[in-house]
Amino acid sequence: QKEVEQDPGPLSVPEGAIVSLNCTYSNSAFQYFMWYRQYSRKGPELLMYTYSSGNKEDGRFTAQVDKSSKYISLFIRDSQPSDSATYLCAMSPADSSYKLIFGSGTRLLVRP
Amino acid sequence: DAGVTQSPTHLIKTRGQHVTLRCSPISGHKSVSWYQQVLGQGPQFIFQYYEKEERGRGNFPDRFSARQFPNYSSELNVNALLLGDSALYLCASSPGGLPNEQYFGPGTRLTVT
Repeated sequence: QKEVEQDPGPLSVPEGAIVSLNCTYSNSAFQYFMWYRQYSRKGPELLMYTYSSGNKEDGRFTAQVDKSSKYISLFIRDSQPSDSATYLCAMSPADSSYKLIFGSGTRLLVRP
Repeated sequence: DAGVTQSPTHLIKTRGQHVTLRCSPISGHKSVSWYQQVLGQGPQFIFQYYEKEERGRGNFPDRFSARQFPNYSSELNVNALLLGDSALYLCASSPGGLPNEQYFGPGTRLTVT
């Protein structure tokens, strides 16, 4: 079993829809939770991060962490065609390694 | 400000050959991490360097090695290339190596034939 599980999609939604992307994890030591966006043949771009539990909002994006359920989510409001990309969740324990452990990514397509 | 730069952009190698990939971090960043991303998968951690010292190593064979230079740039070396080493190699730069402040470069796409 992978430490971080993410539905690969693809997820296809109409422009303006609310998108929900999710990851589950098994390692209770994870404290840092990040969401990255990756366009085709590009490097991942950091969108949001949360430390420990709770919610965080930045413009059209909201990140949620539920440590009791080992479940994290990213919500995108008023989705745009330019949001079409692969979304990667990444996690890390608060120890000296600081390595990121990624999900396999969810491919999102926003239809005009 | 310039982001993370990586070179070369693409390269093609033959099995058994050696390859060196290069990364220049964002100005002021002292930590560099390397990741391997196979098509359709998320990136996998290979190494992290901070202040020229190795701070972490992922589950990769000894054919993979890296180093960080006094100007904080870094090289990733892979010996005895295998077909399975074909991937996008990503470099991430951060001020101190914390997980929430890692910024990725565009990657080097390596094809092993």
